[in-house]
Amino acid sequence: NFMLTQPHSVSDSPGKTVTISCTGSGGSIASNYVQWYQQRPGSAPTTVIYEDDQRPSGVPDRFSGSIDSSSNSASLTISGLKTEDEADYYCQSYDGSNPVIFGGGTRLTVL
Amino acid sequence: VQLLESGGGLVQPGGSLRLSCAASGFTFRSYVMSWVRQAPGKGLEWVSGISVGGENTYHADSVKGRFTISRDNSKNTLFLQMNSLRAEDTAVYYCAKDFYSGSSGPPSLFDYWGRGTLVTVAS
Repeated sequence: NFMLTQPHSVSDSPGKTVTISCTGSGGSIASNYVQWYQQRPGSAPTTVIYEDDQRPSGVPDRFSGSIDSSSNSASLTISGLKTEDEADYYCQSYDGSNPVIFGGGTRLTVL
Repeated sequence: VQLLESGGGLVQPGGSLRLSCAASGFTFRSYVMSWVRQAPGKGLEWVSGISVGGENTYHADSVKGRFTISRDNSKNTLFLQMNSLRAEDTAVYYCAKDFYSGSSGPPSLFDYWGRGTLVTVAS
């Protein structure tokens, strides 16, 4: 079965750049699109990246997504960190046998 | 777009509950819909999905045979019938709308989520 693995937590200071990884196992991460959702405490998730590297309207261009087939991983990069970016981030993909798969989530702390 | 879940509450192990999600602001009948849950302090887990016409349903292994997803396109409403509930089903249940319009396939990616409804399974 296809699985997505994320680090439990990352942290950095305001103004810095942080990257959250999402590593696929049991299949190729490039086979289907990867999405990234942001979830602030007590709120529902919202989409920050869809279709690997697309930003929904209203999401600042400080957020970017990418895929690296060689490492079978996806990455979410947030530049110019702000305190408001502090949240949990989940990667997500899908395949035919197990329609929707989420990574375990990464807690971003902005120090 | 608005998705408003209801029907959550406290239920004993082995009991049943029916969740509803009232949708507005988009053409409900054109989108695959899903339920996603989040246990307290845990990550997101996809639970069930349903095709635009309701003819195809998809369930996670953890709920297969116990949960049934359905929809009423005339009332713009999504449902989740949960039977034989267990303590591990305790979670906030979110209704989520698929990004792609007119897809005949399983769920893929989500662009809108409801605020969720809490289901607690305990004696």
